[in-house]
Amino acid sequence: AQSVAQPEDQVNVAEGNPLTVKCTYSVSGNPYLFWYVQYPNRGLQFLLKYITGDNLVKGSYGFEAEFNKSQTSFHLKKPSALVSDSALYFCAVRRNSGNTPLVFGKGTRLSVIA
Amino acid sequence: NAGVMQNPRHLVRRRGQEARLRCSPMKGHSHVYWYRQLPEEGLKFMVYLQKENIIDESGMPKERFSAEFPKEGPSILRIQQVVRGDSAAYFCASSPTLAGGTYNEQFFGPGTRLTVL
Repeated sequence: AQSVAQPEDQVNVAEGNPLTVKCTYSVSGNPYLFWYVQYPNRGLQFLLKYITGDNLVKGSYGFEAEFNKSQTSFHLKKPSALVSDSALYFCAVRRNSGNTPLVFGKGTRLSVIA
Repeated sequence: NAGVMQNPRHLVRRRGQEARLRCSPMKGHSHVYWYRQLPEEGLKFMVYLQKENIIDESGMPKERFSAEFPKEGPSILRIQQVVRGDSAAYFCASSPTLAGGTYNEQFFGPGTRLTVL
């Protein structure tokens, strides 16, 4: 069965500094990996995905993520954090193509301090 | 193209009552997923439906919960005889059927927050 681990419940970073939100996964076969962001009392917004190809994936709002097969990781990064990036971030995996459900991590709360 | 719509956004029920949550997928999407988010936790898959069919209900509790996605109208998640432990945010997502079926992104609705008193 597939699973996702987000080892940090909370990440604090100063505005303008780089940020990293960690994610590791376990899945049989090729993983399809996703990052979503959730603002208070809102649904999930898609940030980026890795399906195949380049290990560095660029997404919305200046975010990017690096797929590392040997470490089974898919960390989310941004070179310069904004206060408006403060939100709850979820990493998710699905095991193959098509319409299989997503398996989510527990989420990491990012706080960007001015 | 309107996004995934869910209603109501907030629902309050007393123990023992029924809760009906509705989800209208994006136009042209025929796949619907329901997820539940408990406080301070990630989303947990409940059920995956296509029009008139339940494809995967491995995440649904065996009792009191049911889901449907009729040929016409929204998908409905129904919870009978609610208990306090059912209090959560319930999210619906939809995806299209793409030619070749290699990858179908899921688009999420704003969620319904159910509170059981």
